[in-house]
Amino acid sequence: NAGVMQNPRHLVRRRGQEARLRCSPMKGHSHVYWYRQLPEEGLKFMVYLQKENIIDESGMPKERFSAEFPKEGPSILRIQQVVRGDSAAYFCASSNRSGSRQNIQYFGAGTRLSVL
Amino acid sequence: DAKTTQPNSMESNEEEPVHLPCNHSTISGTDYIHWYRQLPSQGPEYVIHGLTSNVNNRMASLAIAEDRKSSTLILHRATLRDAAVYYCILGSGSGGSNYKLTFGKGTLLTVNP
Repeated sequence: NAGVMQNPRHLVRRRGQEARLRCSPMKGHSHVYWYRQLPEEGLKFMVYLQKENIIDESGMPKERFSAEFPKEGPSILRIQQVVRGDSAAYFCASSNRSGSRQNIQYFGAGTRLSVL
Repeated sequence: DAKTTQPNSMESNEEEPVHLPCNHSTISGTDYIHWYRQLPSQGPEYVIHGLTSNVNNRMASLAIAEDRKSSTLILHRATLRDAAVYYCILGSGSGGSNYKLTFGKGTLLTVNP
């Protein structure tokens, strides 16, 4: 009974490179959420996706960041031309429904991105 | 977004009960109260949620004040594995945006052996 799977767990990139973070939701879940946690801070919402659709990307930086959740395969958070300030833990969560205040999200273990 | 207030840290001894408080004086009538916890180097983990009545599950109990302006997460017998940051979060938001979980700083629970 696999939970939310994220890979890689740790990712090191040099400034200017691209980072791709993957998230496979729990079985049967069609809603995916990405959060970012900067050092010593709480998690901040970035984007909410359903299969093939971006529902809310209000928490995403306007440039360099993009997310997708294709019909087949995992959700991908892509960061182009990374900078040191992108160093953080990125968490993915999934749920089996939204639009309800009982929406319970199940989180992965996160990807820790370090930009040198 | 409705906000919650929690103590920065609390300490407990192993095998003893722990009561983690949360104030949410601006809660609206239909907001659910959620608790998550985050162990070191892990993602947040759902603990429990409730609306008005007290709730129990295998992990914890949630006691909700009659006026719903505060709640308490109760760990009946703390273990070393319960040491984590505990977050009290309201399932709120207008226009159906209740999926945005707003994590504050939470309460860092230390459990002494």
